[in-house]
Amino acid sequence: EAGVAQSPRYKIIEKRQSVAFWCNPISGHATLYWYQQILGQGPKLLIQFQNNGVVDDSQLPKDRFSAERLKGVDSTLKIQPAKLEDSAVYLCASSSQRVSTDTQYFGPGTRLTVL
Amino acid sequence: GENVEQHPSTLSVQEGDSAVIKCTYSDSASNYFPWYKQELGKGPQLIIDIRSNVGEKKDQRIAVTLNKTAKHFSLHITETQPEDSAVYFCAASKGYSTLTFGKGTMLLVSP
Repeated sequence: EAGVAQSPRYKIIEKRQSVAFWCNPISGHATLYWYQQILGQGPKLLIQFQNNGVVDDSQLPKDRFSAERLKGVDSTLKIQPAKLEDSAVYLCASSSQRVSTDTQYFGPGTRLTVL
Repeated sequence: GENVEQHPSTLSVQEGDSAVIKCTYSDSASNYFPWYKQELGKGPQLIIDIRSNVGEKKDQRIAVTLNKTAKHFSLHITETQPEDSAVYFCAASKGYSTLTFGKGTMLLVSP
């Protein structure tokens, strides 16, 4: 079974530029998550999708971050404009169900550096 | 919301020794406690989890214990090997809520 795919793996941009990350979850998984992992910390949830609908975006900085999940499969996370504090690893995860006890499978992440 | 504290932040052991990582949580309603291992350049991978109706769970060299009264849970790794070197994260959740992660423990196993 193929895992969660993410691209690009690395991205370096200057502040105020825009950037987009892509995620392809495990086939058949209805729930998709985007996390931000700042160096030395645990992952922090940004947004959670159930199929193509948003179920939790309470911690998403909506003035600069946006995300969509077209057709309930792939997802894109965008930052516009980027700030220095956005430097982090952005992790995508998926699970077959929405319940918290369902295992979340993580992708390798995209390391973003904002200069 | 839920708050998860994890200790220690770094742990160095000799190969063959045991390693213990401890976490505390704040929300008494939390009922699911997974542990993830993250190797350099990779995403976190689930290694073991425990639900609130169980006090202990083992899987070969790895075990997790849960004390609901004290609101803490621990990861135990016996007979450590160099390939166990990684960052380990605990997490907690309940119902439909999402996972709240601790800050991680970097485990270094020296040959």
